[in-house]
Amino acid sequence: DVKVTQSSRYLVKRTGEKVFLECVQDMDHENMFWYRQDPGLGLRLIYFSYDVKMKEKGDIPEGYSVSREKKERFSLILESASTNQTSMYLCASSLINEQFFGPGTRLTVL
Amino acid sequence: GESVGLHLPTLSVQEGDNSIINCAYSNSASDYFIWYKQESGKGPQFIIDIRSNMDKRQGQRVTVLLNKTVKHLSLQIAATQPGDSAVYFCAEAARGGSQGNLIFGKGTKLSVKP
Repeated sequence: DVKVTQSSRYLVKRTGEKVFLECVQDMDHENMFWYRQDPGLGLRLIYFSYDVKMKEKGDIPEGYSVSREKKERFSLILESASTNQTSMYLCASSLINEQFFGPGTRLTVL
Repeated sequence: GESVGLHLPTLSVQEGDNSIINCAYSNSASDYFIWYKQESGKGPQFIIDIRSNMDKRQGQRVTVLLNKTVKHLSLQIAATQPGDSAVYFCAEAARGGSQGNLIFGKGTKLSVKP
């Protein structure tokens, strides 16, 4: 079975802090994705990556950056966290179309 | 609890009844569709998929129907159980679109009454 893990289930940070969200997949998938999920807005794509060291902006990249130094790991970085970045963050990986999701990180920015 | 279900269309069914969840997709070029289930506090889980060269696909207790003419997708769950309570959403992938990218619907919350 594909396993996608995220470093934290719950995270509380203060405004202005730098935040790292880590995602690891164990199925050698080429594609990895970061989404945020908010009530009434569904899943919104922040960034995705097709290969190591490659990254592409999604629909809402502002305020975020990513890093993919190894195939299995895709990190989401909030350079200076703000209260409007309080959300559920979901990581996913895929080989072709079907995406496999991690359990999510509930981030609260105070 | 999780707030992912707020502001979503809600379907309430009696345990043992059949459920039908609908999804309208936007892109006539989409050729692959997935249904996901998201339980409270968890990430979305794959349920079933279908390609555009089919109009029906069956799994265990679930059936997906695709009507390309009206760009409509439905998920039927037979003999709904309390464990089926979750948010369900569809996703589409467009032929020629960015590799592996899916477009997700907003979701429907299914509540099963015992």
